[in-house]
Amino acid sequence: SAVISQKPSRDICQRGTSLTIQCQVDSQVTMMFWYRQQPGQSLTLIATANQGSEATYESGFVIDKFPISRPNLTFSTLTVSNMSPEDSSIYLCSVGTGGTGELFFGEGSRLTVL
Amino acid sequence: AQTVTQSQPEMSVQEAETVTLSCTYDTSENNYYLFWYKQPPSRQMILVIRQEAYKQQNATENRFSVNFQKAAKSFSLKISDSQLGDTAMYFCAFMKHQTGANNLFFGTGTRLTVIP
Repeated sequence: SAVISQKPSRDICQRGTSLTIQCQVDSQVTMMFWYRQQPGQSLTLIATANQGSEATYESGFVIDKFPISRPNLTFSTLTVSNMSPEDSSIYLCSVGTGGTGELFFGEGSRLTVL
Repeated sequence: AQTVTQSQPEMSVQEAETVTLSCTYDTSENNYYLFWYKQPPSRQMILVIRQEAYKQQNATENRFSVNFQKAAKSFSLKISDSQLGDTAMYFCAFMKHQTGANNLFFGTGTRLTVIP
């Protein structure tokens, strides 16, 4: 298993600003993912955070809007840039240890953009 | 592309009773994993149960069991002896059994309420 800490837990931001969300894992993991959960919706994969290389983005998500860093095997950040009210969502960090196929999730960061 | 469908947006069940949540999926893959995740109001996604597609035997975890029908691409979750703590959103999810492809595809969720 893996214990995942996300910061901030929640934040209220102004339109046009940017916010960086941090994800810290208590052990080294091969796979790290960032998901978005819009209000009342399911989870949608934003990107896979690759250690030492650029993140792999899913269709509809671009690096300029959601830059991701992964400097090592236990830490990643997701930035939501130039925010608009449509970016109001829960952003969840997820990790996979590869063996069982299971993904573990952080508690999410609830972002509200005014 | 993989799609996961949960046709029941909301369900309710009396405490101590049994409830079944439905999930169907579409894929051309032969090897994959299926999961049920629970998301209580705290937002933490918690794994309830997992099934490997190559296993014919249905997975069971205490009060939770699945009915996996591979040919029908169906993966329902049965909760027995429902408890108040089972109140949550339940998401069915699919993952390819492939190195480097460990991302999950989620259904739209079923909101389950356990009534005292």
